[in-house]
Amino acid sequence: AQSVTQLGSHVSVSEGALVLLRCNYSSSVPPYLFWYVQYPNQGLQLLLKYTTGATLVKGINGFEAEFKKSETSFHLTKPSAHMSDAAEYFCALRGGSTLGRLYFGRGTQLTVWP
Amino acid sequence: DSGVTQTPKHLITATGQRVTLRCSPRSGDLSVYWYQQSLDQGLQFLIQYYNGEERAKGNILERFSAQQFPDLHSELNLSSLELGDSALYFCASSSQGGTEAFFGQGTRLTVV
Repeated sequence: AQSVTQLGSHVSVSEGALVLLRCNYSSSVPPYLFWYVQYPNQGLQLLLKYTTGATLVKGINGFEAEFKKSETSFHLTKPSAHMSDAAEYFCALRGGSTLGRLYFGRGTQLTVWP
Repeated sequence: DSGVTQTPKHLITATGQRVTLRCSPRSGDLSVYWYQQSLDQGLQFLIQYYNGEERAKGNILERFSAQQFPDLHSELNLSSLELGDSALYFCASSSQGGTEAFFGQGTRLTVV
């Protein structure tokens, strides 16, 4: 069975501060893991993905995430938050097949204060 | 621009009515997925089609149906609409060799 848990439905940081959005997963097969971002009234945009190989993956807009199999985690980080990072972030899992459906977490709303 | 096109962007309709949402996948993508996003349920997988055939089914109500046509575009049909069907409906597509899904901008359905 596949599932994704995002810890914290709301995260607030100051501009320039570290961003850390937490994601834990459960999968009976080796997972493909993704982070998507959703800006207001827009669709989901892929930030980054982990498939195989290097466990630290870099994405767009300075975000990165580390796949930790032992902790079943795939946390998203950015060293320095920018006002434009304010959005909703979704962690997702695809297991067993590159064409399989995505399992999404409930999302984390990121607020960035000036 | 993800390359996935959804129409219409907004739809307002009355309870009991029927609507059709349309999705054109990225060029060459054979797989199409439909998701429903609501405040209380989050992002819920509805159904997947691959090259015209239904491949996987999720939490799709019997009042809802979908199909994928020979030109690979897909339609999601919602009937006997209820207030609770108000949500954002997303279409996504994937290629056989790719790992990620690309999402359209969504159709916001409001049932009044």
